Amino acid sequence: NAGVTQTPKFQVLKTGQSMTLQCAQDMNHNSMYWYRQDPGMGLRLIYYSASEGTTDKGEVPNGYNVSRLNKREFSLRLESAAPSQTSVYFCASLPRTGGTDTQYFGPGTRLTVL
Amino acid sequence: AQSVTQLGSHVSVSEGALVLLRCNYSSSVPPYLFWYVQYPNQGLQLLLKYTSAATLVKGINGFEAEFKKSETSFHLTKPSAHMSDAAEYFCAVCPFSGGYNKLIFGAGTRLAVHP
Repeated sequence: NAGVTQTPKFQVLKTGQSMTLQCAQDMNHNSMYWYRQDPGMGLRLIYYSASEGTTDKGEVPNGYNVSRLNKREFSLRLESAAPSQTSVYFCASLPRTGGTDTQYFGPGTRLTVL
Repeated sequence: AQSVTQLGSHVSVSEGALVLLRCNYSSSVPPYLFWYVQYPNQGLQLLLKYTSAATLVKGINGFEAEFKKSETSFHLTKPSAHMSDAAEYFCAVCPFSGGYNKLIFGAGTRLAVHP
């Protein structure tokens, strides 16, 4: 199993450009999450998908959209990138909600917006 | 709202010394608690978790943590630090509300281990 994979690993954008961060998991997990990590702030939840076909906002959703394409894939889109979105983005997956399972994290995408 | 406080953004210890990383949470109901480790340029890896079973939880790489309800704490310890323990450590809480297992993370503690 590859676990949770993310593409790209690195990206540099100019202000106003758009892009989509891709995430896929091959563990047949139901739930998927997008976080951003900023220095001194830990990880903050952007959006999550409890199951295929559902998505919900997390703590910091402004400026982002998501798509749960199928059970495996959960993408994060920046429609008009801003310097404040410079961050490291992590995708995670969870076997099922409501239990004691652990979230599994991808390696991250480092995004710089100039 | 739930929150997690990690005391000390940077901790430095000598190789072989005790490692103590502090975590306090705010919750009216004991939640699930986690410690994750992040090595440079990598994702997060679970060290250990508390899910209302034993209050002393043992994890990987010789780490353990004790849940203390009276102190709302979940501090991470390791008796003897190794150079390979140098990393950033995150404490996280999973509140029960909503059932969606959303994790709330602390700001992180960067552990340095020197010879």
